[in-house]
Amino acid sequence: KAGVTQTPRYLIKTRGQQVTLSCSPISGHRSVSWYQQTPGQGLQFLFEYFSETQRNKGNFPGRFSGRQFSNSRSEMNVSTLELGDSALYLCASSLFPGMDNEQFFGPGTRLTVL
Amino acid sequence: EDQVTQSPEALRLQEGESSSLNCSYTVSGLRGLFWYRQDPGKGPEFLFTLYSAGEEKEKERLKATLTKKESFLHITAPKPEDSATYLCAVSGGNEKLTFGTGTRLTIIP
Repeated sequence: KAGVTQTPRYLIKTRGQQVTLSCSPISGHRSVSWYQQTPGQGLQFLFEYFSETQRNKGNFPGRFSGRQFSNSRSEMNVSTLELGDSALYLCASSLFPGMDNEQFFGPGTRLTVL
Repeated sequence: EDQVTQSPEALRLQEGESSSLNCSYTVSGLRGLFWYRQDPGKGPEFLFTLYSAGEEKEKERLKATLTKKESFLHITAPKPEDSATYLCAVSGGNEKLTFGTGTRLTIIP
């Protein structure tokens, strides 16, 4: 069974640009969550989608947004990039919504903002 | 606000030397406490979920335990392949997953 896939794996952008990251969940999984991982803050929850609806959102500015498609694939967008947005962005999928279920993580997208 | 603190930040052990990693937490309405393992350049890999105080789970050389304030990940006779960063996370009433910053474990052959 294929795992969670994320594209691209690496991305370099400059300040002020915007970026879109993609996540394909495990087949049959309808819940997708996004996390930002940095050395100082660790893993921080961005948002969770289930059946194309955002169920929950972390404490990030409105520059961070996401969406989920009918095939459960998800994208997240960051507009007006700042240097502090440099991080590993991880996507996770699970069978059911809510955070009390086992999450399966992808390998992440490493975003560098120059 | 939910909080998770892991200690130590880093731990170096000789192969076969058993030890424990600590995860202290405060959460409003615990729905679950999770342990993940993360290797360099990879996403976290699920290890255990614990739901209530007193619960214990085992997998190979790993055993996770839970009290009302903390969880321990016991590693018995570790091998070099157990080297990784171990992450603890809690899910509370707000249904958000809050992670600790992890313990970087190195097992020396």
